[in-house]
Amino acid sequence: GQQLNQSPQSMFIQEGEDVSMNCTSSSIFNTWLWYKQDPGEGPVLLIALYKAGELTSNGRLTAQFGITRKDSFLNISASIPSDVGIYFCAGQASWGGRSGGGADGLTFGKGTHLIIQP
Amino acid sequence: EAGVTQFPSHSVIEKGQTVTLRCDPISGHDNLYWYRRVMGKEIKFLLHFVKESKQDESGMPNNRFLAERTGGTYSTLKVQPAELEDSGVYFCASSEEYFGSGPQHFGDGTRLSIL
Repeated sequence: GQQLNQSPQSMFIQEGEDVSMNCTSSSIFNTWLWYKQDPGEGPVLLIALYKAGELTSNGRLTAQFGITRKDSFLNISASIPSDVGIYFCAGQASWGGRSGGGADGLTFGKGTHLIIQP
Repeated sequence: EAGVTQFPSHSVIEKGQTVTLRCDPISGHDNLYWYRRVMGKEIKFLLHFVKESKQDESGMPNNRFLAERTGGTYSTLKVQPAELEDSGVYFCASSEEYFGSGPQHFGDGTRLSIL
């Protein structure tokens, strides 16, 4: 089956630093999504990307959909304590529709565990 | 608007028993998905409903797992009989209509422990 390689597995950074994580795949995905999970909660959508080459921001977060459709990265600028958590990339093979997103199941990376030291 | 809700939040049962998990999707969402995260592994897709129909159940581990979505509203996932390897967090997600669907929104999961 399809697999996503997400790196790094964990990050220990100082508050205020910028963060970068990425996902790569051997196969094409037509939708990329980034989620964050806090302890005891479910994944919360951060950014959805529907077009190759698309660069999208959400506050201090920026994500890009790789031009080859086989990778995506997420950057967090000026990290703050509430950024702590596990970040997941997810890819979706299907493509289409008004929002550009498909309806099939997601393939997830293993997650990047972000730890911030004050 | 209420998000995806799952019940129970935790369940601890013995091997061989039966457990039923419930998911209420966001109101009006046709697509409903079940996922599972086993400790140390990535979140894995189990199956996808479009309204009351199973669209894709390729991720279901075996025939001890039965998912239903009667009336196209809430869904249940039953594990019978439960085995030790079934322990993990079971997530439900939903998205709006089938063609041109929006992104999937997740519930907080059911943490299932098999003793």
